[in-house]
Amino acid sequence: QVHLVQSGAEVKTPGASVKVSCKASGYTFTNYVIHWVRQAPGQRLEWMGWIDAANDNTKYSQKFQGRVTISRDTSATTAYMELSSLRSEDTAVYYCTRAVAGTPWFDPWGQGSLVTVSS
Amino acid sequence: QSVLTQPPSASGTPGQRVTISCSGSSSNIGRNYVYWYQQLPGTAPKLLIYRNNQRPSGVPDRLSGSKSGTSASLAISGLRSEDEADYYCAAWDDSLSGPVFGGGTKLTVL
Repeated sequence: QVHLVQSGAEVKTPGASVKVSCKASGYTFTNYVIHWVRQAPGQRLEWMGWIDAANDNTKYSQKFQGRVTISRDTSATTAYMELSSLRSEDTAVYYCTRAVAGTPWFDPWGQGSLVTVSS
Repeated sequence: QSVLTQPPSASGTPGQRVTISCSGSSSNIGRNYVYWYQQLPGTAPKLLIYRNNQRPSGVPDRLSGSKSGTSASLAISGLRSEDEADYYCAAWDDSLSGPVFGGGTKLTVL
C-alpha cells in the first residue's frame, strides 16, 4: 500500500527556516512526482512546488520562488520542503502528495505537518 | 497565481442531489483534465474524481464529475450526512507548469 509519512509539527520564530520531510513507501519512488501544498487555517489549498523524483527537476510557484527549496533523497525515498524567511502568514499545514507528472492527480497525500510561526 | 472559481458554499437535505461548479480558463480546464478532492475536517484531502469523470476504487457511483469547455462540475446524488465536507477542484495550468486549485466549497447537509 502506498504511504506518505511526514515529519512532525514545528514551531518557528519569524525569520527562521523550516524543513519538512515526506517519507514514501509502497511504490517505486522515482516513477512519480512529489508536490507540496499548504493550507493556512480556514483557507484554501495552495500549491507550492513539485520535484520529479526521477531526475531532480523542480518547479516552484511564483509566490514562493526564492524562499522554497524542494529536494529528494532517492536512497531514502524521501522528499523535503524547506521554507525560509518565515513570517506569521506562513503558519499552515503543509502536505506532500504524489502525482503523475504533469497532472494534479494527487494520490495519496501525507498526513500533513503543522508549522506555526510565532514570536 | 491564477485560481479556479468555486461557490464558497452549497447545501442540501439527505437524499437530495447537489452540484458544485468549478470555472477556469483556456490555460487550465480548457485544455486539461479536472480533478476533485474531498477534505473532511482536520484531515488531508482525498481524491474523488480524476480525469474529469473517473472514480478511484472505493468512491461510490453516486458521485460524478463532468466538464464542458472551461468549466466543470461535481454532482453528489443521494446526499448523506457523511458527505458534509470541503470540496476542491484542481487542474493543470499550462502557463504555470503547475496545478491550480479552486477556492473550495463547503457542503452542508441540512
